[in-house]
Amino acid sequence: EVQLLESGGGLVQPGGSLRLSCAASGFTFSSYVMCWVRQAPGKGPECVSSITGDSIYTYYAASVKGRFTISRDNSKNTLFLEMNNLRVDDTAIYYCARRGSTYAFDYWGQGTLVPVSS
Amino acid sequence: EIVLTQSPGTLSLSPGERATLSCRASQSVNNNYLAWYQQKPGQPPRLLIHGASSRATGIPDRFSGSGSGTDFTLTVSRLEPEDFAMYYCQQYGSSPLYTFGQGTKLEIK
Repeated sequence: EVQLLESGGGLVQPGGSLRLSCAASGFTFSSYVMCWVRQAPGKGPECVSSITGDSIYTYYAASVKGRFTISRDNSKNTLFLEMNNLRVDDTAIYYCARRGSTYAFDYWGQGTLVPVSS
Repeated sequence: EIVLTQSPGTLSLSPGERATLSCRASQSVNNNYLAWYQQKPGQPPRLLIHGASSRATGIPDRFSGSGSGTDFTLTVSRLEPEDFAMYYCQQYGSSPLYTFGQGTKLEIK
């Protein structure tokens, strides 16, 4: 059974930093593109960053480029998102999601909440 | 930059009725890499349709997707009580690499 479990969320002040983790199990982690998808309250999802299985290619949405860094440790089946210089509009639930062979997100974690507020 | 516009914003129907949800792209979707998701409160999105018309594993056959290019449709043939939720479309390939629509709320009339 595919499982994705996020951790690391929590209240942070504007300008602060946070590191999210996503522990994966039930599939060959290194074979899949993984994404961090966030959803602000009452809004649609937004993929903010993705990374190929071999970590060679990464993608960042314009809204987070230069502030967020995605990485993965295939030996530990874990995905990371380092978030710096956080802003109030980064407030969201952050999900990790597996990108399937048809470029859709076929499995999602339950998410971790990141409120950015002073 | 590609934009996905979903309509209507809210759709009010009764169980047993047919639902038709629209997703229009501002430019052609690359290789019809268009997906549909269902989301219920407090849950992550759930993949329903990928490649514009292929049902994901375990999705009932009352859900169907169609369309190509810039116009896509999600149809629920006979609404069940558990189908009332938010629905999002999503594309892959055009800049930005992944884009979601703003969603359609399917509510009980």
